[in-house]
Amino acid sequence: KAGVTQTPRYLIKTRGQQVTLSCSPISGHRSVSWYQQTPGQGLQFLFEYFSETQRNKGNFPGRFSGRQFSNSRSEMNVSTLELGDSALYLCASTGTSSDTQYFGPGTRLTVL
Amino acid sequence: QKEVEQNSGPLSVPEGAIASLNCTYSDRGSQSFFWYRQYSGKSPELIMFIYSNGDKEDGRFTAQLNKASQYVSLLIRDSQPSDSATYLCAGGGPSGGGADGLTFGKGTHLIIQP
Repeated sequence: KAGVTQTPRYLIKTRGQQVTLSCSPISGHRSVSWYQQTPGQGLQFLFEYFSETQRNKGNFPGRFSGRQFSNSRSEMNVSTLELGDSALYLCASTGTSSDTQYFGPGTRLTVL
Repeated sequence: QKEVEQNSGPLSVPEGAIASLNCTYSDRGSQSFFWYRQYSGKSPELIMFIYSNGDKEDGRFTAQLNKASQYVSLLIRDSQPSDSATYLCAGGGPSGGGADGLTFGKGTHLIIQP
């Protein structure tokens, strides 16, 4: 079974721009979670989607948003990028009968 | 605010010895706990999960959970140089099913010395 895939793997943007990241979960998984990882703050939960609905959200500003499609693929968007948004963005998928999360390879975002 | 605390290390262990990694958590509502391994420049890889008090063994790895003390540990037996990585401890929420998101510690950097 294929794992979680994320695209693109690397992105370079400038301050003020916006960015969209994509995640395809493991086949059959309907829950997708997004995390931001930085050296200073570690791994922090952004939000989680299940059946196209956001069920939970972490403590991030409204510039961070997401959505999920009917095929469980998910996107997250960051608007008005700031230097501090430079991070590794990780997507994780979860099967229906557990809360074990499997991570994708991540998208490395650099904001200049 | 939910917190998971880990000693950042580095923790240096000779090859073949037992590596012991620990974390504590603040949220008594957490029902599940996870250990992930992360190599530099890579994404976290699931090592173990544990839901019940006591020990859970999987090959060279043993996870231990003590809910009364709010303490989780991971033992790695017969440590190998390939075990050198950052180990992340994470707690799930009360709802389960992935909805709550995981709360991660900042990780312990483990070095296995040949």
